[in-house]
Amino acid sequence: GDSVTQMEGPVTLSEEAFLTINCTYTATGYPSLFWYVQYPGEGLQLLLKATKADDKGSNKGFEATYRKETTSFHLEKGSVQVSDSAVYFCALRGAGSYQLTFGKGTKLSVIP
Amino acid sequence: DADVTQTPRNRITKTGKRIMLECSQTKGHDRMYWYRQDPGLGLRLIYYSFDVKDINKGEISDGYSVSRQAQAKFSLSLESAIPNQTALYFCATSTAGAETQYFGPGTRLLVL
Repeated sequence: GDSVTQMEGPVTLSEEAFLTINCTYTATGYPSLFWYVQYPGEGLQLLLKATKADDKGSNKGFEATYRKETTSFHLEKGSVQVSDSAVYFCALRGAGSYQLTFGKGTKLSVIP
Repeated sequence: DADVTQTPRNRITKTGKRIMLECSQTKGHDRMYWYRQDPGLGLRLIYYSFDVKDINKGEISDGYSVSRQAQAKFSLSLESAIPNQTALYFCATSTAGAETQYFGPGTRLLVL
C-alpha cells in the first residue's frame, strides 16, 4: 500500500537558517503530494501541494518539488523564522483515491 | 468563526465509558473524515463519509462508530473507551474531487 517516510525529528534551527525536511513516498501511479503544518494547539493546515511530476508547490517561503524519479517531495525554506516552529507532515493522495496517507511528522523548533 | 469546529476540545474519561466527539462544519463540504493522531505515528483514518447516507471504515475503525446526522455534522463515538484510545482526534472536510482537506482544531482525549 501507499506509504510516506519523512525525516525523524525534532529539528532545531537558529533563526534565518536554511531548512530541509526530507520526504519520500511509495505509491502506485501518480499520487498528489502535500505538506501540512500543525502549529501548537491547532489543527493541520495545508501548506503546499503538487499534483504532478516536476510541479513545485510554494507558500509562505516554503517550497517542495515533486520528484517522480526519486519519489521525493522535500520541504525547503531559505530562512526560517521563530513563527515557523510547528510540526510538519508530508502526505500523499493516491491516484483516484480519496484517502490521505500521512508521514509521522517532523517537529521543527526555531530559536532566536 | 472557524469553518470546522470540534467539541469538546479536551475530555477525560474512564475505561468502559461511552463518549461522543462532535464535529460541525460551515464550509458546505460533502465529505467528512475522522482521524486520530498519536505521537510519532502521524494521522490515521478512522471513518469517513461522502454524504449523509454514506459511512465507510478507515484504517483503524475497531472500537469506534460514527454518525452523519446532517451534511454539516459528523460524530465519532467510542462505545467502551479503553486507555489505548488516548489520542488527539481530528475531524476534516473536503469537497468531492478536491485535493485539499480542511481540519478542525482537534479533541484531546485521555482515557484513564
